Amino acid sequence: SAVISQKPSRDICQRGTSLTIQCQVDSQVTMMFWYRQQPGQSLTLIATANQGSEATYESGFVIDKFPISRPNLTFSTLTVSNMSPEDSSIYLCSHGGSGQAPDTQYFGPGTRLTVL
Amino acid sequence: GIQVEQSPPDLILQEGANSTLRCNFSDSVNNLQWFHQNPWGQLINLFYIPSGTKQNGRLSATTVATERYSLLYISSSQTTDSGVYFCAVHMYSGGGADGLTFGKGTHLIIQP
Repeated sequence: SAVISQKPSRDICQRGTSLTIQCQVDSQVTMMFWYRQQPGQSLTLIATANQGSEATYESGFVIDKFPISRPNLTFSTLTVSNMSPEDSSIYLCSHGGSGQAPDTQYFGPGTRLTVL
Repeated sequence: GIQVEQSPPDLILQEGANSTLRCNFSDSVNNLQWFHQNPWGQLINLFYIPSGTKQNGRLSATTVATERYSLLYISSSQTTDSGVYFCAVHMYSGGGADGLTFGKGTHLIIQP
């Protein structure tokens, strides 16, 4: 499977500011996804990001709050805008598998965000 | 949308014990995966198992798709098995691959 890295690994931010999280895959993948994991909770899908098209957002998530870019087949960014303490979460990106395991999703190490 | 329920929510065992974690889902699925989230938050793929049985060392999994449940077996537990185990599913909607729907997880603690 393609290896995923995320930057930053963690950050502490002030309310009202924005943070952009980067997700890099070491080989080309068609599908990339962004998830949020609030403290003590499960993972929730934010959006699906395909190269060359607008991201598709899940119910409860909007582009103005979580703009996503997917400029090529190995990279994506998620911005958390106008942050509030409720945005404190782990944000994870994943890719839909490739090769012999096209339906298997693999996850990056996550970005642990604290908003004060 | 599809519902995923995991049981038990919490499990405390002594080292060396065996355990069975269950995942029920509300509709037919094309993808079912089991993950282990370690204390550092990393999600580790355990199994891709939309149907059938697989084994990997001390871990094995079985999915009975017709009855909409999956089981994860952990034998001879070790303290490093501690963490949260998630079941996640996906059902194709005809528009290509989509994201996963996760259960709430089973929090496993293995005591030495």
